[in-house]
Amino acid sequence: DAGVTQSPTHLIKTRGQQVTLRCSPISGHKSVSWYQQVLGQGPQFIFQYYEKEERGRGNFPDRFSARQFPNYSSELNVNALLLGDSALYLCASSPWDRANEQFFGPGTRLTVL
Amino acid sequence: DAKTTQPPSMDCAEGRAANLPCNHSTISGNEYVYWYRQIHSQGPQYIIHGLKNNETNEMASLIITEDRKSSTLILPHATLRDTAVYYCIVRVARETSGSRLTFGEGTQLTVNP
Repeated sequence: DAGVTQSPTHLIKTRGQQVTLRCSPISGHKSVSWYQQVLGQGPQFIFQYYEKEERGRGNFPDRFSARQFPNYSSELNVNALLLGDSALYLCASSPWDRANEQFFGPGTRLTVL
Repeated sequence: DAKTTQPPSMDCAEGRAANLPCNHSTISGNEYVYWYRQIHSQGPQYIIHGLKNNETNEMASLIITEDRKSSTLILPHATLRDTAVYYCIVRVARETSGSRLTFGEGTQLTVNP
């Protein structure tokens, strides 16, 4: 079975621009979570979606938004990019009955210049 | 979620057992201990979890002290491919809707030839 996939792999943007990151969960997983990992730190929780509804939000500004589609794929949008948004953005999916056993994708490396 | 404390780094010889400690002295009765690892430039990978009994799977063993205030992840025969950052996470199990994982800084395990 295919794992969690994310696109694009790498992305370079300039300050003030907007970016959309995409994630496809493992087939059958209805929960998708997004994490931001700054270099040298552990991943930080951004959003969690389950059955297309937002179920949790981390301590991130309103410039960050996300949505989940009927096929359970998800997008993370970041507006008005700042240099500090440069990070590895990770998507994870999990089965409904083992929510803490999350399967992570390879991430999207975002560089903001 | 209970706070966890891990040593920042550890070394292990290839073929020997790697024992990674985690302190979670404020753990609640309904909180599980989860272990993830992150190999460089990859997304985190779920390893194992437990409540109070020792657990073993194909990847590792988890030993939880009787008072549940600490635990040890054991990789019985470490290989070079086990070099990674290991995260100990304490979390209430949520069977549905997903969960947010709180990653600390983890332990950088380096397996030496």
